[in-house]
Amino acid sequence: DAKTTQPPSMDCAEGRAANLPCNHSTISGNEYVYWYRQIHSQGPQYIIHGLKNNETNEMASLIITEDRKSSTLILPHATLRDTAVYYCIVRVEGYSGGGADGLTFGKGTHLIIQP
Amino acid sequence: SQTIHQWPATLVQPVGSPLSLECTVEGTSNPNLYWYRQAAGRGLQLLFYSVGIGQISSEVPQNLSASRPQDRQFILSSKKLLLSDSGFYLCAWSVRLGGASPLHFGNGTRLTVT
Repeated sequence: DAKTTQPPSMDCAEGRAANLPCNHSTISGNEYVYWYRQIHSQGPQYIIHGLKNNETNEMASLIITEDRKSSTLILPHATLRDTAVYYCIVRVEGYSGGGADGLTFGKGTHLIIQP
Repeated sequence: SQTIHQWPATLVQPVGSPLSLECTVEGTSNPNLYWYRQAAGRGLQLLFYSVGIGQISSEVPQNLSASRPQDRQFILSSKKLLLSDSGFYLCAWSVRLGGASPLHFGNGTRLTVT
């Protein structure tokens, strides 16, 4: 599976857009980009995922570069409750016999929303 | 909407005691179910997954076992806990196997074996 690189920490002012970058330069054509976040002592929360096109849902937007080597997660109006560790991962599209294959969390980005 | 429940939230057990953690999913039928462990400072380790009632696949040989007695119920068990079984246990579900289908996690059980 492709690996990802994220900054270890970021700050963002409450009410502003939080833009979290992720590099995945070795991503394959059949690998999805996923974003999860984890608040201390809770389970990971699914945010969004995409293959090639930009995606938007009620939580966030995912912008994937044309060459798919990097992506940005955008939280449009950050609140204090968005303070968490954000994980960018890639997962192969098909099932290769390993259950939830590819769901390997790195160290992520610790996003701190400042009041 | 779909929800996933795990209990208990925290558990302290002595070495050698049995374990039973339960997970249930609501709002969906025939989900794929998973048990993960997240050790402190480390990533997620897939322990078991299930594609249907009575169907369990083990990813890592260990002191634990899993069962799926009902469509939306997944249980993690041990007959005798070891100190190394301490960790944060997460249950998850998905519609399909593979990367096209997101996994949705419960809030986890923090197990401390003393």
